[in-house]
Amino acid sequence: NAGVMQNPRHLVRRRGQEARLRCSPMKGHSHVYWYRQLPEEGLKFMVYLQKENIIDESGMPKERFSAEFPKEGPSILRIQQVVRGDSAAYFCASSLGGEKLFFGSGTQLSVL
Amino acid sequence: TQLLEQSPQFLSIQEGENLTVYCNSSSVFSSLQWYRQEPGEGPVLLVTVVTGGEVKKLKRLTFQFGDARKDSSLHITAAQPGDTGLYLCAVPKGHNQGGKLIFGQGTELSVKP
Repeated sequence: NAGVMQNPRHLVRRRGQEARLRCSPMKGHSHVYWYRQLPEEGLKFMVYLQKENIIDESGMPKERFSAEFPKEGPSILRIQQVVRGDSAAYFCASSLGGEKLFFGSGTQLSVL
Repeated sequence: TQLLEQSPQFLSIQEGENLTVYCNSSSVFSSLQWYRQEPGEGPVLLVTVVTGGEVKKLKRLTFQFGDARKDSSLHITAAQPGDTGLYLCAVPKGHNQGGKLIFGQGTELSVKP
């Protein structure tokens, strides 16, 4: 009865490196959402994916950020050339397609 | 400006006290959700309200959706240390948007034994 699994829980990167955050949705869920939480901004929607498709990426920065949800394997949020402002908690949530979301425990990204 | 204004931002009370936190907006929503988030964890859905004036109870927690569907309140009776956490309200980001939600900034609740 595994919930939404995110790894790593903590990720430390130096400026300019790449960060890869992984998310395995709940069993049977094909809808995945990524959110970012900053202390001063709260929880913000980034991107919505279904298997092999990006449905809505309106909350994603135009550069350096990308997301995928392949047919096999976890969803990946990729941040290239990280900067200090990317430091945040990144949460993945999954659903059956409605508004009821199940969140993972998040990945805390720290950029040095 | 925030679409959802939550108040108070911080609340520290003693075990056994009652409290109410608020989620306000000038916009009308088809539904509204309340989540609780504990430190180092993701938010956990507590309830969804959909009808104006609706009241839902979850043990010691009472949720109310405003008649005009613009605001909501969460009342906790006889708070316990286990109620400590960040309480977030959230609304759908448009029609038929599934899990695309807009969150308030939250109320940070601390219940001291």
